[in-house]
Amino acid sequence: ETGVTQSPTHLIKTRGQQVTLRCSSQSGHNTVSWYQQALGQGPQFIFQYYREEENGRGNFPPRFSGLQFPNYSSELNVNALELDDSALYLCASSPRTSGGAETQYFGPGTRLLVL
Amino acid sequence: KQEVTQIPAALSVPEGENLVLNCSFTDSAIYNLQWFRQDPGKGLTSLLLIQSSQREQTSGRLNASLDKSSGRSTLYIAASQPGDSATYLCAVRPASAGRRALTFGSGTRLQVQP
Repeated sequence: ETGVTQSPTHLIKTRGQQVTLRCSSQSGHNTVSWYQQALGQGPQFIFQYYREEENGRGNFPPRFSGLQFPNYSSELNVNALELDDSALYLCASSPRTSGGAETQYFGPGTRLLVL
Repeated sequence: KQEVTQIPAALSVPEGENLVLNCSFTDSAIYNLQWFRQDPGKGLTSLLLIQSSQREQTSGRLNASLDKSSGRSTLYIAASQPGDSATYLCAVRPASAGRRALTFGSGTRLQVQP
């Protein structure tokens, strides 16, 4: 059973550019969540996808968008990058069950630096 | 709005000490609380998950407790080792219907001195 994988591991962009980050969920998991973690802070929820549809969103502007594919992998897209977008972006997958009992399994993250 | 606070922000202890990390949350309507470990620049590793109906969970040298009514959780680490050095994060899962995102604290950075 493979864990959650993310690509790329590191990325450097300049202000105004666009970026796409990728996540492959753990086998058997149909729900993917994305989080942004600034240096020295806890992760902040961006959005979640379940069966290819957005299933909840945190306090992030529309220039943060995502996709989930039929194999449950996911992309996070950020347009018009700003300096404050520099952070570790974490993807987490989980099996969707009733009652909210499932654990989220996190990938290693993508470190984005915006210059 | 749910807020999660972790105290202390940083902690340095000699090897072998028992220690307690604290987590508090403002809204007691939660499904569960989870403790994670994060090594520098890395992703999160789940340590323990406590359901809202449970009082504690144990895994090896780790024991996590939950007092939902007072909005508090503690992570107890017995006989600390240098390999325990990492940032420890707690996160709560709100009980709102359909709300499955985690709300995290800012973490406690632990250094265990050999």
